[in-house]
Amino acid sequence: QKEVEQNSGPLSVPEGAIASLNCTYSDRGSQSFFWYRQYSGKSPELIMFIYSNGDKEDGRFTAQLNKASQYVSLLIRDSQPSDSATYLCAVRETGSARQLTFGSGTQLTVLP
Amino acid sequence: NAGVTQTPKFQVLKTGQSMTLQCAQDMNHNSMYWYRQDPGMGLRLIYYSASEGTTDKGEVPNGYNVSRLNKREFSLRLESAAPSQTSVYFCASSDAGHSYNEQFFGPGTRLTVL
Repeated sequence: QKEVEQNSGPLSVPEGAIASLNCTYSDRGSQSFFWYRQYSGKSPELIMFIYSNGDKEDGRFTAQLNKASQYVSLLIRDSQPSDSATYLCAVRETGSARQLTFGSGTQLTVLP
Repeated sequence: NAGVTQTPKFQVLKTGQSMTLQCAQDMNHNSMYWYRQDPGMGLRLIYYSASEGTTDKGEVPNGYNVSRLNKREFSLRLESAAPSQTSVYFCASSDAGHSYNEQFFGPGTRLTVL
């Protein structure tokens, strides 16, 4: 069974701090990695994707990928209360016909 | 451009009843998906359709059937609902030609089976 693991949290950080969200995956051949944000009662929306080792930055968000360690993370700088949501890690795995496997999500609360 | 739409938004069923969840997308995407989301368990794939005319089982297909009616529409049917099927159901679509496979989600259907 291919797995994507996330700490369920909840993770609380003060406003303005850096929030660090982590994800590990079991399939070494995984190709693409996604971070979705899901507000309570809403549908997931894509905020970042990464497919090469290293860092990828987009505004206050940085995705980090380490394929050797099978680890992907999301950093949110200058966290805002509007960042409070559940963050889902998703992995496109080897041979899958465009399927994604999702982690269970990490609930983030940014305290004013 | 509505994106991915789902009907109904809410539904309450009694055990043994049947229903069909409807999904449509207007982004000309080839691939469509049905997920269920239960508390603490993330999104689990029920069925997917890589292209018009094809459907395949995902992680949790038991108790469900699907129909890819055309390129736009992908429906999910519960033939005999069970309390274990109480969940939030999301439909998603993606462009198979896009290597990063961004999936766009509908607003969800909240189903309760009594």
